[in-house]
Amino acid sequence: SSDLTQDPAVSVALGQTVRITCQGDSLRTYYASWYQQKPGQAPLLVIYGKNNRPSGIPDRFSGSRSGNTASLTIIGAQAEDEADYYCNSRDSSGNHLELFGGGTQLTVL
Amino acid sequence: QLQLQESGPGLVNPSETLSLTCTVSGGSISSDTYYWAWIRQPPGKGLEWIGSVYYLGSTYYNPSLKSRVTMSVDTSKNQFSLKLSSVTAADTAVYYCATLIHGPTVNMDVFDIWGQGTLVIVSS
Repeated sequence: SSDLTQDPAVSVALGQTVRITCQGDSLRTYYASWYQQKPGQAPLLVIYGKNNRPSGIPDRFSGSRSGNTASLTIIGAQAEDEADYYCNSRDSSGNHLELFGGGTQLTVL
Repeated sequence: QLQLQESGPGLVNPSETLSLTCTVSGGSISSDTYYWAWIRQPPGKGLEWIGSVYYLGSTYYNPSLKSRVTMSVDTSKNQFSLKLSSVTAADTAVYYCATLIHGPTVNMDVFDIWGQGTLVIVSS
């Protein structure tokens, strides 16, 4: 399949937990990577692989996968986590094609 | 620390060719760790992968753009480039260059490092 589907918008109360999901057939084969993008900035990698965080990414960010769905969870969301979040994986066709989800706008209330 | 910087014209006429260069600093473009990628983002919209190139020349393109895209690597200048032909207003976007890592032992792909992006407007 060549699609990754994300909810367009999600909101969370300050300090609470939020899960952002990404669905697609390719996720049965490939782990998702997750990117945070704030207005006017380039995307920033926050989660990759089974559940890996690049240096400098707070441990309140975590990733998981179940079947064809990948999830990005933020435990104790902070105001600075308000951003757009994109998932990405390789297409499972075997042609080295890359897919992005449509993005989820996270609002921290 | 590897850094990427996009450069090129910010305004392109319709039907002409968009040409961008990404300069790699803090590391070698001939590294076998990375593929080199272009990704774009139309104003107010999501990310779209354009394609990826390896320093030895192998390329992979988004099927929706494949007929118009050419990517290449210049190892002498530590740069890689994007050419997109026959552009229209729909090609107006912020264009990012990025590193792409294929997980060596785990099925994962990661766009690890991104340039700051450059806005290209297609208009006469």
